[in-house]
Amino acid sequence: EDKVVQSPLSLVVHEGDTVTLNCSYEVTNFRSLLWYKQEKKAPTFLFMLTSSGIEKKSGRLSSILDKKELSSILNITATQTGDSAIYLCAVTGTASKLTFGTGTRLQVTL
Amino acid sequence: DGGITQSPKYLFRKEGQNVTLSCEQNLNHDAMYWYRQDPGQGLRLIYYSQIVNDFQKGDIAEGYSVSREKKESFPLTVTSAQKNPTAFYLCASSSWGYTDTQYFGPGTRLTVL
Repeated sequence: EDKVVQSPLSLVVHEGDTVTLNCSYEVTNFRSLLWYKQEKKAPTFLFMLTSSGIEKKSGRLSSILDKKELSSILNITATQTGDSAIYLCAVTGTASKLTFGTGTRLQVTL
Repeated sequence: DGGITQSPKYLFRKEGQNVTLSCEQNLNHDAMYWYRQDPGQGLRLIYYSQIVNDFQKGDIAEGYSVSREKKESFPLTVTSAQKNPTAFYLCASSSWGYTDTQYFGPGTRLTVL
């Protein structure tokens, strides 16, 4: 059974701090790892990482896939209150369906 | 405007009643999915469909049923057999076999009274 573990479960930081969120996985025939941001309702897509694309960056957010360690990190630099959300990690394998972790709840305070 | 819509936003149900949650997409995506989200548990897959008139059980299908008569629509029925139906339900879609990225609707919060 595919499995995704995220850490920490929750995190409180001050505006301007840099944070690193972790995701480790066990999946049969890994295809991709995805990061989503969930504020109040629908998760919104951030990044997809695959064997051919192990690093992605968009503004203050960046993500790296470590296929050897079966893990990924999501970095957010110069955090803002608008970054407060639940960050979800998910993987796809043989079954081509997403398996999600429980998420990391990030709160950015002034 | 392309996207996924879900209705209703909030739904209250009495014990013993079946309810149907709507999910519609105009992204021309082949695949559609239903997830359930409980506090502290992430998203769990209920059912998914790769093509019209075909669907597969996910990890927690018991007490739920779906249909896929049209490409753009994938309604979910929560039956009275579902023991713990109070949750946040999310529908998603993707271009099956082309990309793994799934796009989500705004969700329906179901409360059983």
